[in-house]
Amino acid sequence: QLQLQESGPGLVTPSETLSLTCTVSGGSISTTTNYWGWIRQPPGKGLEWIGYIYYTGSTYYNPSLKSLKSRVSISVETFKNQFSLKLTSVTAADTAVYYCVRHRGDPGGYYYYGMDVWGQGTTVTVSS
Amino acid sequence: QSVLTQAPSASGTPGQRVTISCSGSSSNIGNNFVYWYQQLPGTAPKLLIYRNNQRPSGVPDRFSGSKSGTSASLAISGLRSEDEADYYCATWDDSLSGRVFGGGTKLTVL
Repeated sequence: QLQLQESGPGLVTPSETLSLTCTVSGGSISTTTNYWGWIRQPPGKGLEWIGYIYYTGSTYYNPSLKSLKSRVSISVETFKNQFSLKLTSVTAADTAVYYCVRHRGDPGGYYYYGMDVWGQGTTVTVSS
Repeated sequence: QSVLTQAPSASGTPGQRVTISCSGSSSNIGNNFVYWYQQLPGTAPKLLIYRNNQRPSGVPDRFSGSKSGTSASLAISGLRSEDEADYYCATWDDSLSGRVFGGGTKLTVL
């Protein structure tokens, strides 16, 4: 059974870089039918879609999240079965629970079947 | 300010049937599949409905989804206390070129 586990620091200093890793177990990150992504949830608020990556390294970021524009990057290390999120120049507004997810199918395509596997989430606080 | 509009709260009594709505536009719900996620308190969201009305294996048939025009609905029949959760709708938005979530509906079982 496929499982996802986020890891990374729980506290990040303002203006620094937030780095999180998602480890995929119970299956291969290189499966052609899956995409891998990040979702975040600010305290007491709803879900925000950050972006996703294919095992080839092709990425897509949420163009509507203007607060993330040019600060976010997602990468994949297939040999480690991991993918990562980097968010530079963080502010308090980036404080959130960050979830890594598996997308079944292409999130931007017709043959998409939802985010069917979620990590447990990791809380990241931006504070000095 | 989500492009998908959900009522912030809903409630029902055990055994009752409740419906949670999600309103959008022709650029999102009107032209794309809708997905529903359930987030129990303190846990990660879980896929409840995909492609408007399909249930992943393991999701009870008490949960059903539908779509009409630019709106979608999640119905829960035989309401149980363990259904108390936040429910989010999601879809693709052609104008924004990205996936979008509704603001979420908090369901309380009285």
